[in-house]
Amino acid sequence: AQSVTQPDIHITVSEGASLELRCNYSYGATPYLFWYVQSPGQGLQLLLKYFSGDTLVQGIKGFEAEFKRSQSSFNLRKPSVHWSDAAEYFCAVAFNDMRFGAGTRLTVKP
Amino acid sequence: DADVTQTPRNRITKTGKRIMLECSQTKGHDRMYWYRQDPGLGLRLIYYSFDVKDINKGEISDGYSVSRQAQAKFSLSLESAIPNQTALYFCATSASTGSTGELFFGEGSRLTVL
Repeated sequence: AQSVTQPDIHITVSEGASLELRCNYSYGATPYLFWYVQSPGQGLQLLLKYFSGDTLVQGIKGFEAEFKRSQSSFNLRKPSVHWSDAAEYFCAVAFNDMRFGAGTRLTVKP
Repeated sequence: DADVTQTPRNRITKTGKRIMLECSQTKGHDRMYWYRQDPGLGLRLIYYSFDVKDINKGEISDGYSVSRQAQAKFSLSLESAIPNQTALYFCATSASTGSTGELFFGEGSRLTVL
């Protein structure tokens, strides 16, 4: 069955520390891959996307993600987290439609 | 003004009532979607529409129906609301360039069924 898995429900990091949020997918072929961010009380905003080509993609707000076909993964990274990055992050995959993971809530400690 | 507008933003209703959530967009996109968000479950696709004459069921369509009145309008109905339909509902749109691309979301409609 097609699925998107975000193994970490909640992650806490200190401001200035590095961040990696995990995403794995299970599809018959390589789908299009996305990361979205949701701030409290808001809708979702696209951070970055992968369609093809270079497996390391850059997004907004200093985020990047790496597609690894062999691991069916698309992990999100940021070298230095800011307090304003506290939010919920969703990995999504698109084949015929768009499906989302359960989300990872990020808390940033001062 | 927002590109994707949902009404109402908040609604409290009782079990058995009929509820309609409306979505309109000014982005000119052909594709529209309805998702519900529940804590710990992320967003789950209810229905989607690739054009006015195309309606497709998503992961969790039972208990819901939709109407695509025009390219810019996509409504979600709960014919007889039940408490486990309490959730945050999002409408989204995307352009129809090849396979599904970036989604643009409304601000959400919070529905509480008592």
